[in-house]
Amino acid sequence: GAVVSQHPSWVICKSGTSVKIECRSLDFQATTMFWYRQFPKQSLMLMATSNEGSKATYEQGVEKDKFLINHASLTLSTLTVTSAHPEDSSFYICSAWDSSGNTIYFGEGSWLTVV
Amino acid sequence: GNSVTQMEGPVTLSEEAFLTINCTYTATGYPSLFWYVQYPGEGLQLLLKATKADDKGSNKGFEATYRKETTSFHLEKGSVQVSDSAVYFCALRGYGGATNKLIFGTGTLLAVQP
Repeated sequence: GAVVSQHPSWVICKSGTSVKIECRSLDFQATTMFWYRQFPKQSLMLMATSNEGSKATYEQGVEKDKFLINHASLTLSTLTVTSAHPEDSSFYICSAWDSSGNTIYFGEGSWLTVV
Repeated sequence: GNSVTQMEGPVTLSEEAFLTINCTYTATGYPSLFWYVQYPGEGLQLLLKATKADDKGSNKGFEATYRKETTSFHLEKGSVQVSDSAVYFCALRGYGGATNKLIFGTGTLLAVQP
């Protein structure tokens, strides 16, 4: 069945550096993907909608220059956390609706720790 | 805008107890409603869903009925097991327009004790 895969599953980076997280739809095409972040013991907060071939749509309060999203193909969206700081440490999850638009699939999530 | 409110946890129950986790929503039109479960250290999994009023979603002994009159989608299970211990998220998908966003509640931690 349809699967959404994220890479890496976890990453540790130094403060001030940038880190990229990939989200792939493995056996279906996704013109739209979504990026969420989840702080410990909190809910998933939608960060942005990634649109293939066009600019991402960011939710209010999300810094677009800090969280760069690129949806270069129908199966790949990337989230780059630029100039990361410890407060960016979080669990990042991507998702995509399948071709029918009836089922949404979530990636396994990526743990980011900024030290 | 659309929003989801669910009861705060943690909810602590003994095995075989009855479970209810309340969820209410605010939305225009006719949203679709979902319950997701997140087991420790894992990603989100769809538990059940309902796409129109009076629909009942069910899976693994869990049930939830889409009540438009009370804007609710409460999760229930007649007899919980230790393996049900997880965080449960109620979610809403907007109706119409170009939106396919899922809006999540804050999650409710369920701890089932043997």
